[in-house]
Amino acid sequence: DQQVKQNSPSLSVQEGRISILNCDYTNSMFDYFLWYKKYPAEGPTFLISISSIKDKNEDGRFTVFLNKSAKHLSLHIVPSQPGDSAVYFCAASETSYDKVIFGPGTSLSVIP
Amino acid sequence: GAGVSQTPSNKVTEKGKYVELRCDPISGHTALYWYRQSLGQGPEFLIYFQGTGAADDSGLPNDRFFAVRPEGSVSTLKIQRTERGDSAVYLCASRVSGGLGELFFGEGSRLTVL
Repeated sequence: DQQVKQNSPSLSVQEGRISILNCDYTNSMFDYFLWYKKYPAEGPTFLISISSIKDKNEDGRFTVFLNKSAKHLSLHIVPSQPGDSAVYFCAASETSYDKVIFGPGTSLSVIP
Repeated sequence: GAGVSQTPSNKVTEKGKYVELRCDPISGHTALYWYRQSLGQGPEFLIYFQGTGAADDSGLPNDRFFAVRPEGSVSTLKIQRTERGDSAVYLCASRVSGGLGELFFGEGSRLTVL
């Protein structure tokens, strides 16, 4: 049973526009969430995180929104750049030290 | 080194053989994780260590898979009697215990079982 879901396998966005990547989870005990970005033949790299005590966290062009009641989070990238083209993984854990469960990923293409 | 180092980067083996994959975490990181990633899927949790002990090995698929971290630093993932279905990229990650919880990943070891 997949505890972290990313229902859009792919997304295409024009350069300069906003990219919105969505993630849903089923485990109500999750209280720490992370987004990772992965280029081909490289390991995932950390982008941004959020704990359940917040509903928003921002870092430069990246903002993560958390809606605990809906068990939903989203990553906003604005403005999108061609270098943002990669696979994005949503991940979650029950504490900030426990095992981290990843979603299946969304492949983002930013078109120049 | 500055990052998580995994060796070998590529391993091709025959069905039934034994394989070891090594992970050297970032110095000072007490938590170490192993994941497996198949094509088109997200990283699948296998096991994680706090120090020398396995804190959670619930993701190991069966008893052919085993991991050790004898001195609390380098870890080895061991796969016995490999099967074609074991073909995947095996990712290692480490993080500081008591930090913000960010995992730092290596580039992975690609295992191909013929």
